[in-house]
Amino acid sequence: AQSVTQLGSHVSVSEGALVLLRCNYSSSVPPYLFWYVQYPNQGLQLLLKYTSAATLVKGINGFEAEFKKSETSFHLTKPSAHMSDAAEYFCAVSDHPGTASKLTFGTGTRLQVTL
Amino acid sequence: GAVVSQHPSWVICKSGTSVKIECRSLDFQATTMFWYRQFPKQSLMLMATSNEGSKATYEQGVEKDKFLINHASLTLSTLTVTSAHPEDSSFYICSATNRGGYTFGSGTRLTVV
Repeated sequence: AQSVTQLGSHVSVSEGALVLLRCNYSSSVPPYLFWYVQYPNQGLQLLLKYTSAATLVKGINGFEAEFKKSETSFHLTKPSAHMSDAAEYFCAVSDHPGTASKLTFGTGTRLQVTL
Repeated sequence: GAVVSQHPSWVICKSGTSVKIECRSLDFQATTMFWYRQFPKQSLMLMATSNEGSKATYEQGVEKDKFLINHASLTLSTLTVTSAHPEDSSFYICSATNRGGYTFGSGTRLTVV
């Protein structure tokens, strides 16, 4: 079975500060990892995904994540936070995207950006 | 890019009635559709997986007779909440697999009064 753990249900940063959202995974097979963002009462928007290619993945809106197998981590970062980044962020894992393989989500991290 | 259109975006219904939620893949064929449920300030919990032309596979604890899923075509999957009760009030989201990824609908806020 696969799972992801997001450390910190709530993260608060100042505008312009570094954003770091943590995600650790557990998988018996090479994982495919995703980060999604959700704004209130909306669906999920893909930020980036790791599918066994480059370990440093660049996504939309200036976000990136690094796959570290030795640490079983896939933390999401952004050098400088914007007010518009305030949202809920979900890390997710799949064993084979694009098929009937389901996506398993972490519990989510709410990012607050303050002035 | 791939788009999944989900309707309605919100619905209020009386207790005991049924509500149907539709998800359509607009520019691709969705062989597999996933249905999730999300309670306030919580994560997405998978309810069921539907494959076109076959019966849906429900996750443990999800009542298949209450949450009817139909995936009659490659572009349309529906979730019907039958005999809805206030505890069914939630945010429901569909997701379709597409070329190595997952495309999500915009969600449906169901409120049962």
